[in-house]
This record gives sequence, C-alpha cells and structure tokens, in this order.
Amino acid sequence: SYVLTQPPSVSVAPGQTARITCGGNNIGSKSVHWYQQKPGQAPVLVVYDDSDRPSGIPERFSGSNSGNTATLTISRVEAGDEADYYCQVWDSSSDHVLYVFGTGTKVSVL
Amino acid sequence: QVTLKESGPVLVKPTETLTLTCTVSGLSLSNARMGVSWIRQPPGKAPEWLAHIFSNDEKAYTTSLKSRLTISKDTSKSQVVLAMTNMDPVDTATYYCARIGCTSTGCYTHFDYWGQGTLVTVSS
Repeated sequence: SYVLTQPPSVSVAPGQTARITCGGNNIGSKSVHWYQQKPGQAPVLVVYDDSDRPSGIPERFSGSNSGNTATLTISRVEAGDEADYYCQVWDSSSDHVLYVFGTGTKVSVL
Repeated sequence: QVTLKESGPVLVKPTETLTLTCTVSGLSLSNARMGVSWIRQPPGKAPEWLAHIFSNDEKAYTTSLKSRLTISKDTSKSQVVLAMTNMDPVDTATYYCARIGCTSTGCYTHFDYWGQGTLVTVSS
C-alpha cells in the first residue's frame, strides 16, 4: 500500500516560516491535501489539490508538490498555527481504493 | 452550511458489532452529488480512512478491514451508517464522518467537511 512519511515535529519561531514535508513514491503525480488538527478537534482542510486553499484559510498557508515530496508552507507563523498537520492522497488501482494519510507532523511555535 | 454529526455508543465490548450514524445537514444526500466517508483516529495516531459511499450508492472499503465493514445510507433521514463487526480493543479510536465534494465533472479526493468525531472505546 502507498505510504506517506512526514517528520514527527517541526519547531518555528513566531513570524518565521514553517515547512512540512510529505514524502511518497512519485507523489508529484498525485493530488496532495493537507489538514490541520488542534487538540480535541476534528481535522480542518487547509490546502487541497497540492496548492489550493479552501475559503477562509489564510494566504499564509501554501502548498507545492513535485517528485517524491510535497510541502506545506506556513508563512508568518502565529501561535494559533500550533497543531498537528497531516498530508493525504487518494490512491487507487484496479483492486482497491484508498485514501492515505501521512504520519503527521506536530508544529510547535517557540 | 454543511454539517455532519456522528452518533453511536461510546463503549463496546470485544467481539460486538459497532454501529455508527452520521447525520448530514445542509445538503440532501439524494439531491446533492457528494460522498461521505468514515475515518477513524486512534489516540495519538494519524487518521485512517475506512469506507465511503456516494449519492449514486457507489461504495468502497479500506482493504485491510473490508471483511468487517458495511456502509449504507438512508437518504430520507440524511444519514450514513457504518457497521464494524468483531470489535477489538485495537479499534479504540475517534470515529469521524467527512464529506467528499463533487462537481458536474467528477468528485474531489479530499474531505472538506468533518463531523466533530465520536470516541469509541472497546473494552470488556
């Protein structure tokens, strides 16, 4: 099955830029989606289809995807951005359909 | 405004069958082209997709749990139901339902609306 690997943690100072990677075999050929999850809450979609933002998501959140790595970038990090972040792709073949989530990255704001 | 809400037991015993209900508001399951997925998240772990059902009744299940899962919908009640048989303590998790949006040309592959989740504990 398809595997998405993320760094367990990323630390960033307020106002700086956080970059969260999501590694997968030829992930550049897939659409990657990103979710933010704060403690005790459901995940919230922050980027979809590699780089599109849902309405209401700040422009500080952006995404890119190429080769074997997708990246979520959070610019001008704020304290409220502290959360777990998960990447997700859709993986399908003739014998299965699967929505795959990454291992997750905890973003800490120093 | 689209909202989803999960309901079901908070505690089930090993070997029992878990039945969860997702009630969708703000959209009609019969009129709107959309899908609803069930996703679970064990404490401290990443989410895991379980199953989906679309408005045209297309269904799919995660390969590893396919034999234990059944998803269905009741459009008159705007509900999607997930049944999981033979529950085990490792199935302890927060269970979410989430929407998959569609357009006239196809459906997306992400989850744009999520329910609040319901924590299910499997223990004797």
